[in-house]
Amino acid sequence: EDQVTQSPEALRLQEGESSSLNCSYTVSGLRGLFWYRQDPGKGPEFLFTLYSAGEEKEKERLKATLTKKESFLHITAPKPEDSATYLCAVQPIDSWGKLQFGAGTQVVVTP
Amino acid sequence: GAVVSQHPSRVICKSGTSVKIECRSLDFQATTMFWYRQFPKQSLMLMATSNEGSKATYEQGVEKDKFLINHASLTLSTLTVTSAHPEDSSFYICSARDKRRASSYNSPLHFGNGTRLTVT
Repeated sequence: EDQVTQSPEALRLQEGESSSLNCSYTVSGLRGLFWYRQDPGKGPEFLFTLYSAGEEKEKERLKATLTKKESFLHITAPKPEDSATYLCAVQPIDSWGKLQFGAGTQVVVTP
Repeated sequence: GAVVSQHPSRVICKSGTSVKIECRSLDFQATTMFWYRQFPKQSLMLMATSNEGSKATYEQGVEKDKFLINHASLTLSTLTVTSAHPEDSSFYICSARDKRRASSYNSPLHFGNGTRLTVT
């Protein structure tokens, strides 16, 4: 059975304090791994897609990496506006486009 | 680009009534849309896959007669919660993939801003 586990559940950071979020996955075959950002009461906002182990993608203070078993989302020198819930999702090869989401990591960045 | 509009953003209804939620892709066409449900501090759970011009495919455990899905055009899918009960109260979110990239199944899904349903 495909599984996606995110850790930690919640993370509180001081502004400028870099950290990493983890997404561990078990899937029969990976077509893609996605990172989304979700603000309270809103739908998820697309951040990155990673397709193969060793791949890295960056956007402003965020950097996503992928191995065969997990993905990390690194937040460098975060700002309060980076506060959100970060969701990881996997798309198995045989899923016909469906995504399976983890429960998310809620990040709070304080000034 | 790739904007998905969902309406209404919030709805309160009485038990036993039906509620319709609309999901529109504003600047692209979508042959497939997905409907998710999210409980507080929990993951998004896929309810059904909506295919333009054909019947929706429901995930295991989701009642198709309770959650009616219609995908009448390449830009509109609707979810109707029939005979709603308090346990149906949740956050419903739709998503869509650009038809131009549909052949690439790993292209990103774009999400609407969700509908908060409260059944009293």
